[in-house]
Amino acid sequence: GAVVSQHPSRVICKSGTSVKIECRSLDFQATTMFWYRQFPKKSLMLMATSNEGSKATYEQGVEKDKFLINHASLTLSTLTVTSAHPEDSSFYICSAMRVADTQYFGPGTRLTVL
Amino acid sequence: AQRVTQPEKLLSVFKGAPVELKCNYSYSGSPELFWYVQYSRQRLQLLLRHISRESIKGFTADLNKGETSFHLKKPFAQEEDSAMYYCALRTGGTSYGKLTFGQGTILTVHP
Repeated sequence: GAVVSQHPSRVICKSGTSVKIECRSLDFQATTMFWYRQFPKKSLMLMATSNEGSKATYEQGVEKDKFLINHASLTLSTLTVTSAHPEDSSFYICSAMRVADTQYFGPGTRLTVL
Repeated sequence: AQRVTQPEKLLSVFKGAPVELKCNYSYSGSPELFWYVQYSRQRLQLLLRHISRESIKGFTADLNKGETSFHLKKPFAQEEDSAMYYCALRTGGTSYGKLTFGQGTILTVHP
């Protein structure tokens, strides 16, 4: 149990376009979902925390207008990278958490902006 | 603010040798510590948490509040243990559930 999926697993887009990444908890209801960014052979950097039905809480230095997060249900959160630029190319990972439990991580999405 | 430090970016051992991955933390409250592992081309997964005091895949970790450490140990390393290991700290209050990760240690176990 406690499986988290992400879609797509890999996306290539042109500079200036927007990209949406979905994160789903497949067999449990996630009260909270998290979005991370991971650079090659580096640690995970938390971007934002989202709770179902409320606005996401962004970490310092993360542009909320650039990285739009929607958490419309207890099993789905989306991250939209708006007006993507090459420097946004990265590995984006989501995680989902039940109340008083640990985080379960998705497989990640590789974004390449040309 | 909380912080997690993993001083070794790379760690190499031979199969059958003991291994210890170091983790130190700084946090003013009561910490909750975790070890996560990421095998090649796989997702991050929980290895163990300090409150469970369990041994997973032969690994153990003890929280030492005096030394603010949560080192991961295994007496006899196996080749399949080769992976990236992350130590993480979970804080409470309004940030309940938020994890702060260390920089990670790449463990390579040679045959």
